[in-house]
Amino acid sequence: SAVISQKPSRDICQRGTSLTIQCQVDSQVTMMFWYRQQPGQSLTLIATANQGSEATYESGFVIDKFPISRPNLTFSTLTVSNMSPEDSSIYLCSVEVNDFAAFFGQGTRLTVV
Amino acid sequence: DAKTTQPNSMESNEEEPVHLPCNHSTISGTDYIHWYRQLPSQGPEYVIHGLTSNVNNRMASLAIAEDRKSSTLILHRATLRDAAVYYCILRVQGAQKLVFGQGTRLTINP
Repeated sequence: SAVISQKPSRDICQRGTSLTIQCQVDSQVTMMFWYRQQPGQSLTLIATANQGSEATYESGFVIDKFPISRPNLTFSTLTVSNMSPEDSSIYLCSVEVNDFAAFFGQGTRLTVV
Repeated sequence: DAKTTQPNSMESNEEEPVHLPCNHSTISGTDYIHWYRQLPSQGPEYVIHGLTSNVNNRMASLAIAEDRKSSTLILHRATLRDAAVYYCILRVQGAQKLVFGQGTRLTINP
């Protein structure tokens, strides 16, 4: 298993500003995943972050809006840039430490006003 | 990614078994069937997975149809803490990303 800590757990931000979300894992993992969950919706993968290389973004998500850092095998950050109310969502970090089970953080609940 | 179809919602009573269906008629031979659940205000958690044979673990059982075009997650004795959104996901072995559908919102009545 893996224990994932996300910070902050929630935030209220002004439109036009940026927020950086941190994800810390208690073990070394190759890949870390960032998801978005809009209100009342399911999860959508934003990007996959490998240590030492550029993140791979899913269709509809771009690096300028959601820059990701992956400085080591236990840590990653996701920045939500130039926020608008449409960015109000829960952002979740995920890792996989074996071949079949993914583990998720508690999420960061972001409200943009 | 192959698509899964689940009922939007289901309701059951505490201490009764719950059968959550999932249709995946376009499943390929290399797709594993995974189930995750998301409790209120939490991230998803792994429940169970399987390929062809039925599977059991401490949380649930997974019954897979012989043609693999459908599966059923079985909670043998539901508790109020099992109220959650349950996601059925197809995943190719070795592929690490998960593609979530809308899931089934399970309500448990006391």
